Amino acid sequence: QSALTQPASVSGSPGQSITISCTGTNSDIGAYDYVAWYQQHPGEAPKVIIYDVTKWPSGISKRFSGSKSGNTASLTISGLQAEDEADYYCSSYTSGKSPYVFGTGTRVIVL
Amino acid sequence: QAQFVQSGPEVKKPGASVTVSCKASGYTFTTYLIHWVRQAPGQGPEWMGWIDPGRARTKYSQRFQDRVTFSSNTSASSVYLDLSSLKSEDTAVYYCARGGFFSVNGFDIWGQGTMVTVSS
Repeated sequence: QSALTQPASVSGSPGQSITISCTGTNSDIGAYDYVAWYQQHPGEAPKVIIYDVTKWPSGISKRFSGSKSGNTASLTISGLQAEDEADYYCSSYTSGKSPYVFGTGTRVIVL
Repeated sequence: QAQFVQSGPEVKKPGASVTVSCKASGYTFTTYLIHWVRQAPGQGPEWMGWIDPGRARTKYSQRFQDRVTFSSNTSASSVYLDLSSLKSEDTAVYYCARGGFFSVNGFDIWGQGTMVTVSS
């Protein structure tokens, strides 16, 4: 089961919007609306910020939004803030040999 | 407030086994699946499997199924990961995480992580 493909890094200035892509296959992202996104600051556990492609857990800022088209999911961060600087990982349910797969990760840099 | 507290860091030699524990509190322990996820240094997370703590049903990633065992102790509200035949590539932070609160995917509560170092 190969990891989902994400860009290694994305950068933006405070206040800008950035988008992170997550490319899978028709066995994972393309097959299910069970895509989640996680934010991870150094030394901390991942924190879920989006689930079921577009939904927010309680307490998560609406500046984070998710979408999906075909085999690619995307996370958009609007109004970029310094505290958004972190690693972001996508995850999908999959019909493969193991039911969950994570992405390679994207480092968001706030300039 | 739901939380997981995991056991402390471990240093093991190649070929040895390790046990990591994860104690739940703040919710009904048997209601949700608990997943194990590991993260090697500088790498993304990797799903290892889940356990249904109330019925002790398990599902393992094919990558680990020959070497890993999950167990639960409902009286202690704890789950355990046993990983055998350790290799240097098993050096990673091991997390327990709660699944199923929102949906099929999206783990809402994570332990603080347990660093396992495999070195001769």
